[in-house]
Amino acid sequence: GAVVSQHPSRVICKSGTSVKIECRSLDFQATTMFWYRQFPKKSLMLMATSNEGSKATYEQGVEKDKFLINHASLTLSTLTVTSAHPEDSSFYICSASTPEPDTQYFGPGTRLTVL
Amino acid sequence: GEDVEQSLFLSVREGDSSVINCTYTDSSSTYLYWYKQEPGAGLQLLTYIFSNMDMKQDQRLTVLLNKKDKHLSLRIADTQTGDSAIYFCAERTGFNKFYFGSGTKLNVKP
Repeated sequence: GAVVSQHPSRVICKSGTSVKIECRSLDFQATTMFWYRQFPKKSLMLMATSNEGSKATYEQGVEKDKFLINHASLTLSTLTVTSAHPEDSSFYICSASTPEPDTQYFGPGTRLTVL
Repeated sequence: GEDVEQSLFLSVREGDSSVINCTYTDSSSTYLYWYKQEPGAGLQLLTYIFSNMDMKQDQRLTVLLNKKDKHLSLRIADTQTGDSAIYFCAERTGFNKFYFGSGTKLNVKP
């Protein structure tokens, strides 16, 4: 099956620093990748949709200058949380879509803790 | 926006069948999915059903789709303790967006 990896799995950083999270599709090419945020005991909130070679499409209420997304290749997308604050602490999950069948495969998630 | 609803909790005994229900609102959904999330982990795709089907069986998993009522269910036969997790249903709309339910926490008692 399709495998998506994320790195790092956990990160702790100081307030005001930036953190980069990588999402890779390991055995398939993903033209579209998605970034989600999951709050404790809550569902997933779609943050942005990222297409290779073009600018990401952000959902309403998500600050594009705070959550920078780069999708430089068909197998790699990155999410950079800039000037992180404690309220940015969350579980961030990426997914990559395959055309056949049209579905999403999720990475294992990254637990971000901002002190 | 699209609304996907699930009950929050389900508790069953090991060996029994579990049925997790989901309702959605977008009648143009093309695919509907079930994902499993274990503690501290990402989402694992369990199964999916195309919107023109009404049933799909995959080993212990049976998905039923009532398109008229916009109701989706996941039945797990012979539930095991390893099935304890949170189960999310999701719909894919015509704009290639996925909307997730809030998740149903399945607790399997030995």
